[in-house]
Amino acid sequence: ETGVTQTPRHLVMGMTNKKSLKCEQHLGHNAMYWYKQSAKKPLELMFVYSLEERVENNSVPSRFSPECPNSSHLFLHLHTLQPEDSALYLCASSQGSTGGSSPLHFGNGTRLTVT
Amino acid sequence: QKEVEQNSGPLSVPEGAIASLNCTYSDRGSQSFFWYRQYSGKSPELIMFIYSNGDKEDGRFTAQLNKASQYVSLLIRDSQPSDSATYLCAVSGGYQKVTFGTGTKLQVIP
Repeated sequence: ETGVTQTPRHLVMGMTNKKSLKCEQHLGHNAMYWYKQSAKKPLELMFVYSLEERVENNSVPSRFSPECPNSSHLFLHLHTLQPEDSALYLCASSQGSTGGSSPLHFGNGTRLTVT
Repeated sequence: QKEVEQNSGPLSVPEGAIASLNCTYSDRGSQSFFWYRQYSGKSPELIMFIYSNGDKEDGRFTAQLNKASQYVSLLIRDSQPSDSATYLCAVSGGYQKVTFGTGTKLQVIP
């Protein structure tokens, strides 16, 4: 496989469920990201990992818990979500460097619906 | 306060015309500027990136950056119906922190 792969593509979960989103990148990049995309809102950065260390946490509620076991894999663990958390969750990777940014490569996203 | 602003559109242009998409940003320290295209139901894909003032051309696409005016634009020449999508402007003010605008929806009319 090439690029950035996300699973599952669609997820419906109740407010009391626990689920995880998975992302894998095959580009040799050293930085990985979680973004949230809601209707009529800009993409919101949730988490950034560089060389497996979290460098950005944009005040995301604790019901979202990221995990980055290595530079190729990224998870987003979900628990006790709210209906307003329903959105498209996008994983991205880049070849990070100090000063400025390199382009992001996105996965196909997970469409999450919280009932 | 919005950090990256775009007109949400829709911007309608006839096939073969030039589409002009605009973006302003608030952080004067921004260093990297990106345009992504997002088809309905799909994820964003990179179209262009620009780091220096001036124009950068790639095929039918030209990105223009004016840091003094805090303005970046994307021109699409010879617009095709397949260019119909939402175009996202993204700006980086520092190490791997990329801020997106809400996007401009482009409709190319055959």
